[in-house]
Amino acid sequence: DADVTQTPRNRITKTGKRIMLECSQTKGHDRMYWYRQDPGLGLRLIYYSFDVKDINKGEISDGYSVSRQAQAKFSLSLESAIPNQTALYFCATAVAGSTDTQYFGPGTRLTVL
Amino acid sequence: GQQLNQSPQSMFIQEGEDVSMNCTSSSIFNTWLWYKQDPGEGPVLLIALYKAGELTSNGRLTAQFGITRKDSFLNISASIPSDVGIYFCAGLNTGTASKLTFGTGTRLQVTL
Repeated sequence: DADVTQTPRNRITKTGKRIMLECSQTKGHDRMYWYRQDPGLGLRLIYYSFDVKDINKGEISDGYSVSRQAQAKFSLSLESAIPNQTALYFCATAVAGSTDTQYFGPGTRLTVL
Repeated sequence: GQQLNQSPQSMFIQEGEDVSMNCTSSSIFNTWLWYKQDPGEGPVLLIALYKAGELTSNGRLTAQFGITRKDSFLNISASIPSDVGIYFCAGLNTGTASKLTFGTGTRLQVTL
């Protein structure tokens, strides 16, 4: 079984809809991250969490919110989706003190029409 | 936010050829990382570099941490079809909430 799972893997939605992307991990890591990948731009950090009570904005947090429901779960929400949020979204985990080694999930491809 | 520049953006090579790619930054990092992303998958860490001038290998892959701490290089020797994918560099400064800054990626395609 995969250590970092993301659901759904693909989602098509309409402008204005609320969307939640979920991430679960069985690695027991404290740190979890949400990234967005766009062609030619690499990965950009949206939000990150160092533990259940610690949530931090990344470089492109506008239009997104997150919830760390438990150590193993970190959800990303788009309150009112817009077309330029169409992208590939990745969740990642890391052990505190070993942030250089981040383990990525398989990604969620989101299309906003 | 800052992003690291990678070159080339994409490349086609023949199986068996050696590959070189690089990553440059306007600011210094004290850790450089190289990831590979296979089609339909998330990135996977290939090599981590922790010291300026360091040269590290992982099988057919060799990476170097530039002396200026503003660049890094990745070489793949004797490429094979499974080398296809996107290669990302990432910079990290420990202490700054340990956030990775990723490069724009180099797409490698291998022709038989």
